[in-house]
Amino acid sequence: KAGVTQTPRYLIKTRGQQVTLSCSPISGHRSVSWYQQTPGQGLQFLFEYFSETQRNKGNFPGRFSGRQFSNSRSEMNVSTLELGDSALYLCASSLVGTGAAEQFFGPGTRLTVL
Amino acid sequence: AQSVTQLDSHVSVSEGTPVLLRCNYSSSYSPSLFWYVQHPNKGLQLLLKYTSAATLVKGINGFEAEFKKSETSFHLTKPSAHMSDAAEYFCVVRGEYNFNKFYFGSGTKLNVKP
Repeated sequence: KAGVTQTPRYLIKTRGQQVTLSCSPISGHRSVSWYQQTPGQGLQFLFEYFSETQRNKGNFPGRFSGRQFSNSRSEMNVSTLELGDSALYLCASSLVGTGAAEQFFGPGTRLTVL
Repeated sequence: AQSVTQLDSHVSVSEGTPVLLRCNYSSSYSPSLFWYVQHPNKGLQLLLKYTSAATLVKGINGFEAEFKKSETSFHLTKPSAHMSDAAEYFCVVRGEYNFNKFYFGSGTKLNVKP
């Protein structure tokens, strides 16, 4: 079974631009979560989607948004980029319905904002 | 509110000596607990998980963890460190009321000296 894939792996943008990151979960996984990881703040939860609906949301400004498609693939968008948005963005998928199911992580997208 | 506390931000051991990474959690019931490892510039990989079966859980690469409810702890151990174990380790608890939310510790960076 293929793992979680994220594209692109690396991105360089300038302040004020917007960016879209993509995540394809493991086949059959319907829950997709996004995390931001920085050296200063560690791993922070952005949001979680299930069946095209956002069910959980972290404490991030409205510039951060996401969506999920009917095939469970997910995208996240960051508008009006700031220098502080430079981070590793991780996507994780899990099998919903079993209380013990763990999350499987993709390799991440490294975003650099100049 | 649920939380996870990793008691050491950095741990340094010599190759061949035991590893102990400490984790305490807060939860009013018997939670699902996980340990993940992250090598530099990589995604997170599941080491092991506790799901209310045996309290001593064996994972990959010789790691194991013991769930102690009375101490609300889930410490990660390995009898003999290898250079390839150098990485960052995260302790994670699954949401008590929201199974699709995961709470991450701040991480412990393990350094292995030759």
